[in-house]
Amino acid sequence: QVQLQESGPGLVKPSETLSLTCTVSGYYIGRAYFWGWVRQSPGKGLEWLASIHHSRGIDYNASLRSRLTISIDTSKNQFFLNLTSVTAADTAVYYCVRDDWVPDNWGQGTLVTVSS
Amino acid sequence: QSALTQPPSASGSPGQSVTISCTGTSSDVGSHNYVSWYQQYPGKAPKVMIYEVNKRPSGVPDRFSGSKSGNTASLTVSGLQAEDEADYYCSSYVGGGIEYVFGTGTKVTVL
Repeated sequence: QVQLQESGPGLVKPSETLSLTCTVSGYYIGRAYFWGWVRQSPGKGLEWLASIHHSRGIDYNASLRSRLTISIDTSKNQFFLNLTSVTAADTAVYYCVRDDWVPDNWGQGTLVTVSS
Repeated sequence: QSALTQPPSASGSPGQSVTISCTGTSSDVGSHNYVSWYQQYPGKAPKVMIYEVNKRPSGVPDRFSGSKSGNTASLTVSGLQAEDEADYYCSSYVGGGIEYVFGTGTKVTVL
């Protein structure tokens, strides 16, 4: 049973960089699948951010591409997200997911608040 | 890439059926059979209820069913129960550098 767990600071100051880690258990991320990040702003819908495969590449949401970096470390069974120059609009619950064309497994989510 | 369109709300009495639509375009819903439906309770992560248009993961009651016609996918919940009251989101694979897109979400109320 694959399990995903997000970790990172719950509070980030405006203009700084949001950095999140997803630790995967129960499945080796270097074997298959894309692995991604999805966020949900308070009271709003879901937004795909980025996805990565250990050998097939990376896709980014075009509207956020200039501020996003996704990376993967198969030796630690982790993948990561960086979002630069954050504003209050980036306040959201961030989920890491396994992509089987669309997400089929989700982490519990971590709330990140952007505030000074 | 725009979000898929869902009705904001839907409701039904216990035992009745409710159907939620998810309208996309020929570039997403109309091009792929990789359409999923998610159930989300407040403060919780989304849970897959339907994948690949009409397949149910193990453990999901057969009261939940999915279908697709053209650019519109649908989720039907039959025999509504109080525990079905939640938000529901659809998602479709897009491809071409865009992994997937989500629906706007529908709040289902059991009257």
